[in-house]
Amino acid sequence: GQNIDQPTEMTATEGAIVQINCTYQTSGFNGLFWYQQHAGEAPTFLSYNVLDGLEEKGRFSSFLSRSKGYSYLLLKELQMKDSASYLCAVRDPVATDSWGKFQFGAGTQVVVTP
Amino acid sequence: DGGITQSPKYLFRKEGQNVTLSCEQNLNHDAMYWYRQDPGQGLRLIYYSQIVNDFQKGDIAEGYSVSREKKESFPLTVTSAQKNPTAFYLCASSIPPAGGPDTQYFGPGTRLTVL
Repeated sequence: GQNIDQPTEMTATEGAIVQINCTYQTSGFNGLFWYQQHAGEAPTFLSYNVLDGLEEKGRFSSFLSRSKGYSYLLLKELQMKDSASYLCAVRDPVATDSWGKFQFGAGTQVVVTP
Repeated sequence: DGGITQSPKYLFRKEGQNVTLSCEQNLNHDAMYWYRQDPGQGLRLIYYSQIVNDFQKGDIAEGYSVSREKKESFPLTVTSAQKNPTAFYLCASSIPPAGGPDTQYFGPGTRLTVL
C-alpha cells in the first residue's frame, strides 16, 4: 500500500512563490502526479514525474526524489485563480491486475491573498 | 467535444434506497475509475475497470456495485448497504501507460446527499 502526506493548507500572496511538499511511503512506485482541484470541481492534471529531477511547465514545476520518497510542486508568480487544492498522487507499479491504480494524498489547500 | 460526463450533478436520496450514478466517456479510454471524496480527505478508489466486462474492487468497495457492459459507460450503484454514502463522487478514465503518463481525466462529479 501507499501512505502519502502533504500539508493541509498554505497561504501566500499574489505574485509570490509557494512550494507544496509531498512525501510517500510505498511498497512500489511507478510515477507521481500532481492535480489541481477547485472547490466543487473535478481535479485537472498538472504534472507527472517518474524519474528523479525537475519538470517545468510554465509557472508550475514539479520535482521528484525517489530515494527520499519526496516530491514538491512549485507554483511561481501566484495568481488569485491559483487558489485551489493541490493533490499529490502516486501510481502503483504495473502488475497483472493493478496498472492504473493511484493513491491520492488528502490535498493541500492553497490560499492566495491580494 | 471529447470528455467525461457525469449525471446528475446533485443527487438526493432517502436512506435505504439504492441509487445509480452515471459516467460516460467518449475519449476511447480503456480504463475507468470511481472515486469518493469527503471533506478534508483525498480521493479514495471505489472500483476500477481496465476493459469491458471486467472490473476490480478498490479500497472502499463495500456497499457499492458497478458494471462495464460498454467501453463508454461505467455506472456506479450506491446501495443501501453503504453506511455513509453522502459524498462527492468522481469518475475518471485513462488509457494504458505506453511510454508516457497514464493521466486520469476526471468528470465533473456528482454530489450525493442522503436525507
